[in-house]
Amino acid sequence: TQLLEQSPQFLSIQEGENLTVYCNSSSVFSSLQWYRQEPGEGPVLLVTVVTGGEVKKLKRLTFQFGDARKDSSLHITAAQPGDTGLYLCAGFPNAGNNRKLIWGLGTSLAVNP
Amino acid sequence: ETGVTQTPRHLVMGMTNKKSLKCEQHLGHNAMYWYKQSAKKPLELMFVYSLEERVENNSVPSRFSPECPNSSHLFLHLHTLQPEDSALYLCASSQRRGTSYEQYFGPGTRLTVT
Repeated sequence: TQLLEQSPQFLSIQEGENLTVYCNSSSVFSSLQWYRQEPGEGPVLLVTVVTGGEVKKLKRLTFQFGDARKDSSLHITAAQPGDTGLYLCAGFPNAGNNRKLIWGLGTSLAVNP
Repeated sequence: ETGVTQTPRHLVMGMTNKKSLKCEQHLGHNAMYWYKQSAKKPLELMFVYSLEERVENNSVPSRFSPECPNSSHLFLHLHTLQPEDSALYLCASSQRRGTSYEQYFGPGTRLTVT
């Protein structure tokens, strides 16, 4: 069974702090995606990483794909209340039905002003 | 309208009712998806349509019936639902179905079955 485990499950921080959330698996993925979902809305795609070791930056957000393509991290610098939401990772596994996106449970982030 | 829209945004229905959820995508995509999002569970893929043909049905009970009349519209017909079917139902679309094609989601319909 291909699983994506996200940690931590919940995170509450103050505005201006830095944080990192993780997405880990024992399986290899051909690509991984990160989404942010705000309350009452659908997930919004932030980034897709496809190459092992790849680093992508989106303003204050830095995404990294592990060298072995089994894990990924999201680092937020100087968090703001607008960063509050559920951060979901999802990936297409290398083996099996690689057209079916596998989802993590998400990290729920609250940034307090 | 841009992106993916869903109506209604909220729906409360009894177990004997029949209702339909509607999804429309304005992105020119060829694949559309229905997902169920429940607390403490990963997103569950229910149905996939590619070029208006249903290509995936992930053991979804027959009380959920999808319909895709064209590549821009997707419906989910509901009848005789159970309380455990209460969840956020999300529609998504992608350019094609397959590896690395990114999915764009609608805002969802919050369904409560009483």
